[in-house]
Parts: sequence; structure tokens; C-alpha cells
Amino acid sequence: KQEVTQIPAALSVPEGENLVLNCSFTDSAIYNLQWFRQDPGKGLTSLLLIQSSQREQTSGRLNASLDKSSGRSTLYIAASQPGDSATYLCAAPSGTYKYIFGTGTRLKVLA
Amino acid sequence: EAQVTQNPRYLITVTGKKLTVTCSQNMNHEYMSWYRQDPGLGLRQIYYSMNVEVTDKGDVPEGYKVSRKEKRNFPLILESPSPNQTSLYFCASNLGDEQFFGPGTRLTVL
Repeated sequence: KQEVTQIPAALSVPEGENLVLNCSFTDSAIYNLQWFRQDPGKGLTSLLLIQSSQREQTSGRLNASLDKSSGRSTLYIAASQPGDSATYLCAAPSGTYKYIFGTGTRLKVLA
Repeated sequence: EAQVTQNPRYLITVTGKKLTVTCSQNMNHEYMSWYRQDPGLGLRQIYYSMNVEVTDKGDVPEGYKVSRKEKRNFPLILESPSPNQTSLYFCASNLGDEQFFGPGTRLTVL
């Protein structure tokens, strides 16, 4: 059964710092992995979807990588800003139609 | 505008009083699902639907029902809510492998 872990659970960084968020999964037979952002009390916003055939996806200051062999994905945020403060979640498929979410990394970027 | 909508956004109810949370998407997506989010447990999938009249259980289906009579709607039904179903509920629909989420419904069962 797929298990998804995100470490650290919380992170505070000064503005401008580059940072990496980690997502680990136990079943490497995945066909994609998706990263989301969640602001307090709000829904989830899709950030990046990486297919298993890709190793990286980029959107603006965000770059996500996927290494199926090691069961890891990372979300790299360049030049962090206070507006990046949110909880970041990753989700991996479990079988064909189910999805398993990590519990998230709560990021705070200090001005 | 492409979106997933949920109603109501907030609901306080009492134990045993049947309720339905509606979910609708205007993107003609085939796959839809329901999640609940609880502190420390993250998002857990309740039910999903691959298409009209095709539904299946997720990881935490107990106490919930769903139906998919039309492609755009996927209501979540709590026949007899209990306090342990107090949670934040999200509906999602997929374009291919990418999930898009509704704004959430915060349910409190007293």
C-alpha cells in the first residue's frame, strides 16, 4: 500500500532563500506525482504534475523533480517570498484510481 | 471559468440528521473524488468515481455514500452523521492525471 511522507512538517526561512521540500513514497510503481499548495482555510491549488516519464517540471520559480528508483520527489522554490507562505502537499497514486497525500510541509517565509 | 464548486461551504448539524454536500464541475471531467482533511492525518480519500454510475471506495468510506448520476455532479451523502465526521471535506475532479480541487466544506457534527 502506498505511503507518502513529507519532511519537515514545518519550515521557516528568511525571504530570498532557495529551499527544497521533500516528498517520499513507498510504492515506486507510480505513473505521476502532483504537488499542491494550500493556504489556511482554503482549497488546494495544483502547482506541478510530474509524469513518470519526466524527471523534472518547472513553473516560474518552482521546480519539481521525481526519482522513482529512490522513492523521492522534491519541490525547489527559488528566491522565496512571503507570499510563498503556505502548506505544500504532494500526492502519489495508489493503484490506478486512488491517491495518497502526504501530511504536508508548512512553510513560512519571513520578510 | 473552469471550476469545481461545493455547497454548502460551512455546515453545522447534529448527530443523525442526514445531509448532502454537493459537488459540481463544469469541465466535463470523467474522474471525481471526495476527500476529508483532518489535522495530523492529512487528506484521505473517501470515494471516487471513474465515470457516470461508476464509483468505488477510497481509504475511509465508512459512514459515507456517493452517487454519480450525471457527469458534472458527485454528491457526498452522510446518512447518519456522527461527531467523528467533523472535518474539512474536499471534492476534486481530474483532467487526465491532474487533480483540481473545490474550495472545501467545513462540517461540524454536534
